Amino acid sequence: AQSVTQPDIHITVSEGASLELRCNYSYGATPYLFWYVQSPGQGLQLLLKYFSGDTLVQGIKGFEAEFKRSQSSFNLRKPSVHWSDAAEYFCAVGAQAGTALIFGKGTTLSVSS
Amino acid sequence: NAGVMQNPRHLVRRRGQEARLRCSPMKGHSHVYWYRQLPEEGLKFMVYLQKENIIDESGMPKERFSAEFPKEGPSILRIQQVVRGDSAAYFCASSWGTGGAEETQYFGPGTRLLVL
Repeated sequence: AQSVTQPDIHITVSEGASLELRCNYSYGATPYLFWYVQSPGQGLQLLLKYFSGDTLVQGIKGFEAEFKRSQSSFNLRKPSVHWSDAAEYFCAVGAQAGTALIFGKGTTLSVSS
Repeated sequence: NAGVMQNPRHLVRRRGQEARLRCSPMKGHSHVYWYRQLPEEGLKFMVYLQKENIIDESGMPKERFSAEFPKEGPSILRIQQVVRGDSAAYFCASSWGTGGAEETQYFGPGTRLLVL
C-alpha cells in the first residue's frame, strides 16, 4: 500500500541553525513528491515538488529537498532557519500528476531564539 | 490572480444538521480535490472532481457525504446529518487538469467544521 512516513512529530531548532525534516515513502512506481507548509489556522502552501530529473530540488523560502530512490526518502532541508519558519510541514506523494495525494502526518517545527 | 477560495472558513452545526462547504478553484483550473484533516492527522483524500464529473470518490464515506462540481459555480461538499466525528478541517485543492508537469494541487485556506 502507498504510504508516507514522517518520523518526527515535533522538532525544535534554534534560529539560524540548519534544519532537516525527514520523509519516507512507500510506493511501487516513480512517485511525484511534494512538501507543503501549513501555518496555524491556514491552508497548505506548496514549498517544492519533484516529478523527475535533478534529484535536488529548490523551493521557496530557501528550502530544498533531495529525492533518494535507494532510500525511498525525500528529506526537506534549510541551511538557516528563521523564526517565521515555525509551522507544520507535510510531505505528500502522488501516483502521477493530477491524482489524489497521500500525506504524511506532518512534522511541527518550533524555532527557539 | 486569486487563489483557491473556500467558504465559510468556520462552520458550526448541531448534530443532525446539514453542512455545505464551498470551493472556488483558481482561475483556469478545472480539477478540484477535497481532503479532510482530523486533529493531529495529515490530510486524507476524499474526492476528485472535474466539471460535472466525479473522477475518484474512493476516499469519500459511503453515507451522508456527497460532492459536486457543476458547470457553473463552485464545487460543493455536502455532509448530511452531521455527527461529532465529522468535526475536522476540510480542504479543497485545484489544478489545471492537463496531466503535465505543471499539474500541481494548490490548496485553499480550509473550512473548519465543528459539530456540537
